Amino acid sequence: AQSVTQLDSHVSVSEGTPVLLRCNYSSSYSPSLFWYVQHPNKGLQLLLKYTSAATLVKGINGFEAEFKKSETSFHLTKPSAHMSDAAEYFCVVRLNAGKSTFGDGTTLTVKP
Amino acid sequence: EAEVAQSPRYKITEKSQAVAFWCDPISGHATLYWYRQILGQGPELLVQFQDESVVDDSQLPKDRFSAERLKGVDSTLKIQPAELGDSAMYLCASSFVGGAPQETQYFGPGTRLLVL
Repeated sequence: AQSVTQLDSHVSVSEGTPVLLRCNYSSSYSPSLFWYVQHPNKGLQLLLKYTSAATLVKGINGFEAEFKKSETSFHLTKPSAHMSDAAEYFCVVRLNAGKSTFGDGTTLTVKP
Repeated sequence: EAEVAQSPRYKITEKSQAVAFWCDPISGHATLYWYRQILGQGPELLVQFQDESVVDDSQLPKDRFSAERLKGVDSTLKIQPAELGDSAMYLCASSFVGGAPQETQYFGPGTRLLVL
């Protein structure tokens, strides 16, 4: 069985300040983990993925995430928020081929 | 860059009517997924195809939903009859093979359905 919990439904930051979106997962085996971003009325775009290689994963648009097995976490960070980062972010865990479990999402607001 | 295409982008219908959504995956992708995303929630898998065969439809409400991928390329998802609770975003995704957990799924822009 697998599950994913996004610990914050809403996060608000000021432009130029760091971003932290938290994700905890539960799985019986070592999972693959993903972060997707969804802008209003758009599909999901892959930001980054963890596939059991390096625990620190770098993605697009300056985002990165660190896989911490001991904490069963895969938090998403960015050093400096931009207005264009305002969107919905989804953490995804996958064990079996194609069977993805999505978190409920975190809405990121970026204030000028 | 190749993209997953979906149509229509928006659909308004009355309950008890039939609706259909179309998806064209990235060329060469063998696996196609239909997800439903209710407002405020993450997407939930409805059905997964490997070529033209259904691999997983355990969450598909089969009394009213049907999906097909006849030639293993594009796919249609149908709802008949539509109910108020079907109002959601319907997302299509595809992946090259579908056999590895780390494989990336590419999503289309979705179809926003509103049932009145």
